[in-house]
Amino acid sequence: QSALTQPPSASGSPGQSVTISCTGTSSDVGGYNYVSWYQQHPGKAPKLMIYEVSKRPSGVPDRFSGSKSGNTASLTVSGLQAEDEADYYCSSYAGSNTLYVFGTGTKVTVL
Amino acid sequence: EVQLVESGGGLVQPGGSLRLSCAASGFTFSSFSMNWVRQAPGKGLEWVANIKEQGSERYYVDSVKGRFTISRDNAKSSMYLQMNSLRAEDTAVYYCARVAYRFGFDPWGQGTLVTVSS
Repeated sequence: QSALTQPPSASGSPGQSVTISCTGTSSDVGGYNYVSWYQQHPGKAPKLMIYEVSKRPSGVPDRFSGSKSGNTASLTVSGLQAEDEADYYCSSYAGSNTLYVFGTGTKVTVL
Repeated sequence: EVQLVESGGGLVQPGGSLRLSCAASGFTFSSFSMNWVRQAPGKGLEWVANIKEQGSERYYVDSVKGRFTISRDNAKSSMYLQMNSLRAEDTAVYYCARVAYRFGFDPWGQGTLVTVSS
């Protein structure tokens, strides 16, 4: 099972939007509506930001949104703030053999 | 407060063994599937293993099958990862994480560092 493909980096100015893609296959992203997104600041544990493609856990700002089309999922961060600067990872359920697969990660920089 | 705390990491020689623990608090441990996820230095996240609520089903990434064993003790609200035949490429911070939402991991522990080196 290969890692999901994400762009290594993305950036935007404060107040702007940034969108991160996450490309898999029909065996993971395309086969299930179970894509999650995680935010990780340096030296910290990951934090769940989006689950089931587009749902937000309580406490996550509505500036974070998710979507999916075919084998590609996307995370959009609107109204960028300095604290949004972090690494972001997607993850997908991948079936009953290899249960989960993570993306390669994207470093978001707030200019 | 829902909390996960890992322990047991350290320096081990190639071919050696280590047992990681994850202590849970603040929720009904036996009602949740649990996972181990690792992150090699400067690298991305990699799912390692999953154990269902009662421990009857266990799943592993191919690279650790036959070497790692995930287990849990619901009476102690704890999960474990027995790691044998360790290799340099197993060097990573190991996180435990609860499956709280539909296949979303929340929360995560603070992680424990495993270093495999001679």
